Amino acid sequence: QVQLVESGGGVVQPGRSLRLSCAASGFSFSSYGFHWVRQAPGKGLEWVALIWYDGSNKYYAESVKGRFTISRDNSKNTLYLQMNSLRAEDTAVYYCARDPGTVAFFYDYWGQGALVTVSS
Amino acid sequence: DIVMTQTPLYLSVTPGQPASISCKSSRSLLHSDGKTYLYWYLQKPGQSPQLLIYEVSSRFSGVPDRFSGSGSGTDFTLKISRVEAEDVGVYYCQQGIQVITFGQGTRLEIK
Repeated sequence: QVQLVESGGGVVQPGRSLRLSCAASGFSFSSYGFHWVRQAPGKGLEWVALIWYDGSNKYYAESVKGRFTISRDNSKNTLYLQMNSLRAEDTAVYYCARDPGTVAFFYDYWGQGALVTVSS
Repeated sequence: DIVMTQTPLYLSVTPGQPASISCKSSRSLLHSDGKTYLYWYLQKPGQSPQLLIYEVSSRFSGVPDRFSGSGSGTDFTLKISRVEAEDVGVYYCQQGIQVITFGQGTRLEIK
């Protein structure tokens, strides 16, 4: 069955960096685009970044552009989110989500989430 | 960006009664391919979101048939024909035609 397992969350000081990973199993990882979506405590869902199935294209929300980098290693079935220059407002649960769309973007499976807390 | 607006933001429903959530987009979600790219998710307490409905009205695998979606253009509705206790959580609509945006969420509780 499809499984997405995030790791790498934790408490980090403002201005520091953190890298999230999302390990995929149960399907052909290299056939799908992937996204990171975050949810601040008690708030709604916010799209963060997208990477195509082959890593050839990447897109970011304005709020993280220039600070976050999405990447993937199809040989390891793993998605990454490198987060630099972290701010208090980046505090959230970060979900990786699989995108089966060919024309539009949506999510058929989500990971359990990784909590990132940015605090001094 | 396309703005997605949900109403109401809170619903309290007696088990067995119907429920309805509206989602309006700031521009049409009809693509040039003729499909409309509007999705519904449910986030149960303490869980990740789960896909309920794709392309306005198609139920995802395993979703009970008491859930139905309808609408076109900019106006969409999610209906639950008979609410059950397991339906509690926050419902989100999402558009996939441009940079992904979600509605604010509608919290459903059981009376």
